[in-house]
Amino acid sequence: QVQLVESGGGVVQPGRSLRLSCAASGFTFSRYAMHWVRQAPGKGLEWVAVISHDGSTKYYADSVTGRFTISRDNSKNTLYLQMSSLSGDDTAMYYCARVRDNGVEDLQNWGQGTLVTVSS
Amino acid sequence: AIQMTQSPSSLSASVGDRVTITCRASQDIRNDLGWYQQKPGKAPHLLIYAASSLQSGVPSRFSGSGSGTDFTLTISSLQPEDFATYYCLQDYDYPLTFGPGTKVDIK
Repeated sequence: QVQLVESGGGVVQPGRSLRLSCAASGFTFSRYAMHWVRQAPGKGLEWVAVISHDGSTKYYADSVTGRFTISRDNSKNTLYLQMSSLSGDDTAMYYCARVRDNGVEDLQNWGQGTLVTVSS
Repeated sequence: AIQMTQSPSSLSASVGDRVTITCRASQDIRNDLGWYQQKPGKAPHLLIYAASSLQSGVPSRFSGSGSGTDFTLTISSLQPEDFATYYCLQDYDYPLTFGPGTKVDIK
């Protein structure tokens, strides 16, 4: 079955960087676009970024453009989110998600999330 | 960016009630809308895609309708496991945007 496991979260100081990973299994990773979605404590869901199946196309939320970079390694079945210039507004649970099918953006499968806390 | 609103922001209902949640987009998004359920401490779960298509494995008491700018999620007979927060998500254009959520709790 499809499994997505995020890792890399933790406590980081403002202004520093952090890289999240999402290990995928149970499906042909290289066939699907992948997304990152975050949720600040007690708040709603916020879409963060998407990467196409082959890594050639990427889009970002305005709030992270220029600071976050989404990438993937299809040989390792792993999705990444490189985050830099972090601030308290980036404190959130970060989820990776797989689309339902190629060409659509419905987020069918989700990981359990990894918590990022930006604090001095 | 396309703005999404939801109403109500919260509601109290009883088991067996019919529940309707509305989502409105700031521009025409055709039928490029999904509905997600999230329970406390858990990841979201896709219920409806393309505005009205039921995701595999989701109970038939959930249904979606609408197109353009106005969309509705209906739970025909609320069950105890349905108490959760519901979000709409437009996937018509980037950046994708979620609605603010509707919390459904027990009356």
